[in-house]
Amino acid sequence: AQSVTQPDIHITVSEGASLELRCNYSYGATPYLFWYVQSPGQGLQLLLKYFSGDTLVQGIKGFEAEFKRSQSSFNLRKPSVHWSDAAEYFCAVVLLGGYNKLIFGAGTRLAVHP
Amino acid sequence: KAGVTQTPRYLIKTRGQQVTLSCSPISGHRSVSWYQQTPGQGLQFLFEYFSETQRNKGNFPGRFSGRQFSNSRSEMNVSTLELGDSALYLCASSFTGEEEKLFFGSGTQLSVL
Repeated sequence: AQSVTQPDIHITVSEGASLELRCNYSYGATPYLFWYVQSPGQGLQLLLKYFSGDTLVQGIKGFEAEFKRSQSSFNLRKPSVHWSDAAEYFCAVVLLGGYNKLIFGAGTRLAVHP
Repeated sequence: KAGVTQTPRYLIKTRGQQVTLSCSPISGHRSVSWYQQTPGQGLQFLFEYFSETQRNKGNFPGRFSGRQFSNSRSEMNVSTLELGDSALYLCASSFTGEEEKLFFGSGTQLSVL
């Protein structure tokens, strides 16, 4: 079955530390991959997306993600976390022709210590 | 330009009632998708509309329905509400709905008592 796994439900980092959020997907073909962020009481905002080409993708707010086909992974990274990055992060996939039928992971809640 | 607008922001209903939620997409966007977000099930796709036609739907019972109007505004309806329908309902819009950037609204928080 098609699925997206975010192994870490909750992560806490110190401000200024580096961050890596993990995402693995299970699909027969390479899907289109996304990372979204959700602040409390808000909708989702797209951080970055991967369709094809360069496997290292740059996004907004200093985030980047690397697609690794051999590991079926699309991990999100940030070299230096800011307190305002505290939020919930969702990895998502959609298949070609999926008409915005995103399949989301369970999410990783990020807390940032000052 | 204005973002995706969902109304109402909060809603309280009782079991057995029905509810209608509204979504106004970004101007020029013709694709509208709906998602349900709950602590237990996470984010789940409900359906997608483009030019008044439903093109895709998720695994929800027939009590969940939707429609899209000629101006791309969309509504979703839930009939015979159950306690488990309590959730944040998110609407998202895009130009064509084909693997492009989705813009999400802030959602409608539905509580079923």
